[in-house]
Amino acid sequence: QVQLVQSGAEVKKPGASVKVSCKTSGYIFTGYAMHWVRQAPGQRLEWMGWIIPDSGNTKYSQRFQGRVTITRDTSANTAYMELGSLRSEDTAVYFCARSYLGGFDFWGQGTLVTVSS
Amino acid sequence: DIQMTQSPSSLSASVGDRVTITCRASQKISGYLNWYQQKVGRAPKLLIYAASSLQSGVPSRFSGSGSGTDFTLTISSLQPEDVATYHCQQTYSSPPTFGQGTKVEIK
Repeated sequence: QVQLVQSGAEVKKPGASVKVSCKTSGYIFTGYAMHWVRQAPGQRLEWMGWIIPDSGNTKYSQRFQGRVTITRDTSANTAYMELGSLRSEDTAVYFCARSYLGGFDFWGQGTLVTVSS
Repeated sequence: DIQMTQSPSSLSASVGDRVTITCRASQKISGYLNWYQQKVGRAPKLLIYAASSLQSGVPSRFSGSGSGTDFTLTISSLQPEDVATYHCQQTYSSPPTFGQGTKVEIK
């Protein structure tokens, strides 16, 4: 069965970076784009960017341009999202989600990133 | 960016009731509209894609309709396990954007 398993919760200081992993199984990793979405407390879901694992091509939301980097390791069937220059407003749950038929059909369990001094 | 607005923001209904949630886009998005269910502490789950197509494994009491700017999600007979927040999402243009969510509770 399709599974997306994310890395554990992180606590970071303002100005630091965080890298979240999303390990996949149960499907051909290079066959589907992977998105990253975050949800800050009380806020709506927010798309951050995506990667096409086959080519490594990426696209990022303008809101995060310059701060976010999405990569993949095809040998490990894993996608990564790194967010830099963290501020308190980046405290959120971060999700990876597989793209299919225009929707996001499978999601990771979420990774809580807390930014606090 | 395309703005997505859901209404109501929350609702309370009885088991067995018909529940309707609406989602309006700030510009036409054809049928590029998805609906998700998110239970507390969990990741969103895809219910409906392309406005009206039921995702595999989703109960048939869920349905979606609409095109252009106005869309609806209907639960034909509310069940206790449907307590959740429901989100719409447009994928017509980048960036994909979500509505603010509708919280559904049991009366």
